[in-house]
Parts: sequence; C-alpha cells; structure tokens
Amino acid sequence: SQQGEEDPQALSIQEGENATMNCSYKTSINNLQWYRQNSGRGLVHLILIRSNEREKHSGRLRVTLDTSKKSSSLLITASRAADTASYFCATDDTGRRALTFGSGTRLQVQP
Amino acid sequence: GAGVSQSPSNKVTEKGKDVELRCDPISGHTALYWYRQRLGQGLEFLIYFQGNSAPDKSGLPSDRFSAERTGESVSTLTIQRTQQEDSAVYLCASSLAQTGVNQPQHFGDGTRLSIL
Repeated sequence: SQQGEEDPQALSIQEGENATMNCSYKTSINNLQWYRQNSGRGLVHLILIRSNEREKHSGRLRVTLDTSKKSSSLLITASRAADTASYFCATDDTGRRALTFGSGTRLQVQP
Repeated sequence: GAGVSQSPSNKVTEKGKDVELRCDPISGHTALYWYRQRLGQGLEFLIYFQGNSAPDKSGLPSDRFSAERTGESVSTLTIQRTQQEDSAVYLCASSLAQTGVNQPQHFGDGTRLSIL
C-alpha cells in the first residue's frame, strides 16, 4: 500500500460538527503536510508539521503527529459546508525529493 | 503575485497522438514537480526539477513520458504515443526550495487529459 494512507476514505458530517482524518505512513520523514483539493482544482496547502513537532494549530485546523506510531491526524473544528473537499496528507521523506501523497479523505459537510 | 499556471486546462486527443502540457511556476520558485492524479486517487510523482541540477525522473512510468524545464521557469511535460491509461489529471507544483527544507508546494489547477 502507499505511504501516507488516509482514514477514513470518506466522511459525511453536519455543519458545525468536528471532522477528524487520520494518516499513516511508513518511512522516516522530515515533515508531514496536509492539503485540501476542491473538485476540479489543484491542491491547496493547509498546514505543515515538522518531525520534531507534536501538535500544530491554524485557525480551525489542528494537526497532531506521532512519529513513534508513524501517524498524523487532522481535526477541523466547527465544520462548514465550504470545507467540503478531499484532504490529503503528504510526507516529506528523508532521502527523497518529492512529497508522497496518500489517496485522500473525501469530506462532505451537509448544511 | 500569480500562482502556478497550467495549460491547457483540458485536452482531449486520440490514442497514439503526442501531447504537450505546460506549467508556469511561481516566479522565484526553484523547485518544480509534476504529478499525475487518476480519478479518485492520490497524487503519483512523475518528475522533479531543482535549479540547474539534473532532474529526478524516477517517477516517469515509461519512456513515452519526458519533461523539460528552461532554467527556473516554464516546464513542459510531453507524452508520446498516448494510451488510454494515460487519461488523468496532470498537476504541476512549485516551491521555494527542494523538499526536505520544510517548504510547502503550490499547485496549479492541472490539465485534465482524456485519451479517446
């Protein structure tokens, strides 16, 4: 399976609820990044967490990183319909130049 | 300033034809990446350019795929003798420096390639 696997593959919630997405990876990393992709568009960078960091916040986003378990989570609080998109984690692997992306979580926020 | 620009946004062509996809990175970004995204899938790395260094072509799926970059500007991805399996969205990204120094990548909206 691919490095950077997201879980769940799809998530449907009501507006105002929190959404949690998880990502697992296999190798050593320099950092882990989360991206959002709206339908038919490119990816937009959301947040980057370095390998020596454990938690990071940006607005309604909270990212955690557990390098011992090789996993990360993205929490979106108080979700909005506009948060509907696919979310990808990407690892910046040591010894490799390009990011390695997972297959993404499709989030649907119902108004 | 302008973001990453890709053209064309959509391309439909017949099997066996050659196609050329273009990417204009953000000015000043030394690193440029090409990815392929099949429907409902994640991104698959194709090729990476960093300044004047030799490109990392390790992700190119076959010798029908090639890419060039002029200095730190425009890049073109060429697919020769296209096959139906080449149908996908081809995404270009640029960043200030190579991956490994904690820089995020900035993506264009991609070229949606359909092979009939």
